Parts: sequence; structure tokens; C-alpha cells
Amino acid sequence: AQSVTQLDSQVPVFEEAPVELRCNYSSSVSVYLFWYVQYPNQGLQLLLKYLSGSTLVKGINGFEAEFNKSQTSFHLRKPSVHISDTAEYFCAVNMNSGYSTLTFGKGTMLLVSP
Amino acid sequence: DVKVTQSSRYLVKRTGEKVFLECVQDMDHENMFWYRQDPGLGLRLIYFSYDVKMKEKGDIPEGYSVSREKKERFSLILESASTNQTSMYLCASSRPRVEQYFGPGTRLTVT
Repeated sequence: AQSVTQLDSQVPVFEEAPVELRCNYSSSVSVYLFWYVQYPNQGLQLLLKYLSGSTLVKGINGFEAEFNKSQTSFHLRKPSVHISDTAEYFCAVNMNSGYSTLTFGKGTMLLVSP
Repeated sequence: DVKVTQSSRYLVKRTGEKVFLECVQDMDHENMFWYRQDPGLGLRLIYFSYDVKMKEKGDIPEGYSVSREKKERFSLILESASTNQTSMYLCASSRPRVEQYFGPGTRLTVT
């Protein structure tokens, strides 16, 4: 069965520091990959996506992610975080199925402090 | 911009009540989804629909049913609400094989 693992449930970081949120997936077929962000009491907002092409993907709010097929990873990075980046981040995978169903990781809470 | 709206942000119901959660999207998307979100468990797919009147079970369909009579509207029904269905419910829509767009969520409390 397909699965998505977000290795850290919580990542504390100071403002202006770099951050990496890790995501690994299990699949033997080609995949589409997504990162979503959820601010308190809101729905999920798409940060970035990998469908094909360049393995380095840039998204909104200065975030980027790199698809690594050999390591089945799609880690999210930001070189300098802001207080406003405090939110929960979800990695999601579509196993190239026709229905667009996504398998989500359990989320990583990014806590940015001054 | 794609807009997905949900009928209520907060809802409180009693055990045994029939509960309807409504979701509407305005981008003519073929696919619509219902998830529940619980702390530490992430999002879990309840049901999805890829066309009008079509539905497929997700990972946790027990205790739920759905209805899609029109392309833009997807309803989640709790036939007899129970306390273990207290959760955040998220609706999403998409075209085939691309990203999903989410509504703001409904926080349901069953007492």
C-alpha cells in the first residue's frame, strides 16, 4: 500500500533561520507530489507541486522542494523563515491514478519564534 | 480563483441526529472529495466522486454516505451521528490528476 511519511511532527525554528521539512513516500510507480500549508482554523492551501520536469520546484511564500526519485523523497525548504510561516505543513502524493486521490502525510507543525 | 465553500464553519449536533455537510465548488471540477482531519492522524479520505451520481469509498467510509446530484455540489451525510465523528471535515475538488483545492473546513462536535 502507498504511504507518505513526514519524519517530524514538530519543527521549532527561530525567525530568519533556514528550515527543511522532510517527506518520504513509498511507491513503485511514478508519482505526483504536493506540499500544502494549513493556517489555524483554515483549509489547506497549495504551496507547490511536482508533476514532471525539473526536480527543483518553487512555490509560494519563498518555499521550494526537491524531488529525489532514488530516495523517494520530496523535502520542503525555505532559506529564511518568518513568524507568519508558523502553520502545519502536509506532504501529499498521487500515485498517478486516474481519480486524483491523494495520500497525505500526518503533517509537520512548523513553529517559528522570534 | 477556485472557490470551494462549505455550508458551516462550526456545527454542534447531538448523538443520533442525521447531519448534512454541504460543499460547493465553482470551477466545474469533475472530482470532489471529503476528508476528516484529526490531530496526529492527518487527513483521511472518507468518500470521493469523479462524476455526477458517481461515488467511491475512501479509506474510512463507515458511518458516512455521500450524494452528488449536481456537478458543483457534494454532500456528506452522517446517518446517525456519534461522538467519535467529532472532527474537522474538509471538502476538496480537482480536475483529473492535478492538485486539489480545499474549502475552509467544518468543525463538527457531536455531544
